[in-house]
Amino acid sequence: ILNVEQSPQSLHVQEGDSTNFTCSFPSSNFYALHWYRWETAKSPEALFVMTLNGDEKKKGRISATLNTKEGYSYLYIKGSQPEDSATYLCAFPNAGGTSYGKLTFGQGTILTVHP
Amino acid sequence: DTGVSQDPRHKITKRGQNVTFRCDPISEHNRLYWYRQTLGQGPEFLTYFQNEAQLEKSRLLSDRFSAERPKGSFSTLEIQRTEQGDSAMYLCASRPWTGGDTQYFGPGTRLTVL
Repeated sequence: ILNVEQSPQSLHVQEGDSTNFTCSFPSSNFYALHWYRWETAKSPEALFVMTLNGDEKKKGRISATLNTKEGYSYLYIKGSQPEDSATYLCAFPNAGGTSYGKLTFGQGTILTVHP
Repeated sequence: DTGVSQDPRHKITKRGQNVTFRCDPISEHNRLYWYRQTLGQGPEFLTYFQNEAQLEKSRLLSDRFSAERPKGSFSTLEIQRTEQGDSAMYLCASRPWTGGDTQYFGPGTRLTVL
């Protein structure tokens, strides 16, 4: 059973604060790591697909890093805004076989940004 | 809007009733996935279609659950004799054969079994 862990489970920050959360995954047989943002009543939205050790990706105020050797990825949000409030999910895709691409998700980090 | 759509968005049913959900993937996406999310957990894989072929089913998918994708386009997920433990968000996602690993999700169907 693939174990993907996220921490913290929830986070409350003030508008303007910078924040970060962690996704831990098995470091052996690494293929890729996905980050999704899921706002209430909307579809989960892909943020990043990370594949290379040391990778750093950025989308506006959100960035992510990847360490495949130690099995973790960080997601950073700079200057949080209320519209950043969402559940942030990381997911580990299956690399082959009959369930190619199926995602194993962490439990998510629920971010609430207070005005 | 050419995203993934799901219908209905919300379903309230009584225990023992049958329910059916529909997913319309992005056009020409031949891979389609169903996931289920319960409170406090991340989404869990239920089943995977490549075109019309159902290639894998999770052990979470008991005999009361069945999924189809008859023409390789839309998919349906049916739950027979619903139980309170079936209450969850049911998500559908699709992706193309090539062009990256990103899955495109629908907004989900929230099922409440009373």
